[in-house]
Amino acid sequence: DAMVIQNPRYQVTQFGKPVTLSCSQTLNHNVMYWYQQKSSQAPKLLFHYYDKDFNNEADTPDNFQSRRPNTSFCFLDIRSPGLGDAAMYLCATSRGENNQPQHFGDGTRLSIL
Amino acid sequence: AQRVTQPEKLLSVFKGAPVELKCNYSYSGSPELFWYVQYSRQRLQLLLRHISRESIKGFTADLNKGETSFHLKKPFAQEEDSAMYYCALNAGNMLTFGGGTRLMVKP
Repeated sequence: DAMVIQNPRYQVTQFGKPVTLSCSQTLNHNVMYWYQQKSSQAPKLLFHYYDKDFNNEADTPDNFQSRRPNTSFCFLDIRSPGLGDAAMYLCATSRGENNQPQHFGDGTRLSIL
Repeated sequence: AQRVTQPEKLLSVFKGAPVELKCNYSYSGSPELFWYVQYSRQRLQLLLRHISRESIKGFTADLNKGETSFHLKKPFAQEEDSAMYYCALNAGNMLTFGGGTRLMVKP
């Protein structure tokens, strides 16, 4: 009964080879987020969608892009992964109202060869 | 800009001992604060939020606006409480996380 589903759980790609991570939700939440979490660090917000409105964090590298074709799905595209992009990528959703928590997926662990 | 500080990266206690994980924040508006927990190999999940004023798994947290703190407390720690704990502040639908505290409960 997972409500925020990330695929795949583990992704291996080559240096410079584009990769896409996917996230889907069954909660019908307005907001979807992508975070990057490196070992022993807190999650770092990359960007989020409020419905179709895209909001990029100022320090998110241009290498990272996102798409949200519909309410349920959101994708993270890394155009040319570098070794420093190896991390856990977390997707989360929320209703976008005051005091509403975010619900997280299991994450996708990305490795770069 | 908002900021969340968790001064302890690691907290180690024995089973049955009280535990307090510290969290301080800075924010100019009215804060919405949460504690999230990440057990080994599991997803990040909500533990509790300040507005609910509830106890979850024996944990409580009280918002102290005067001290700008939201410390997490449990009177008697259990081994299954061992996990990574993140304090987070919600502003404009965006969470700012503290650096996290790893709690280790020894038998």
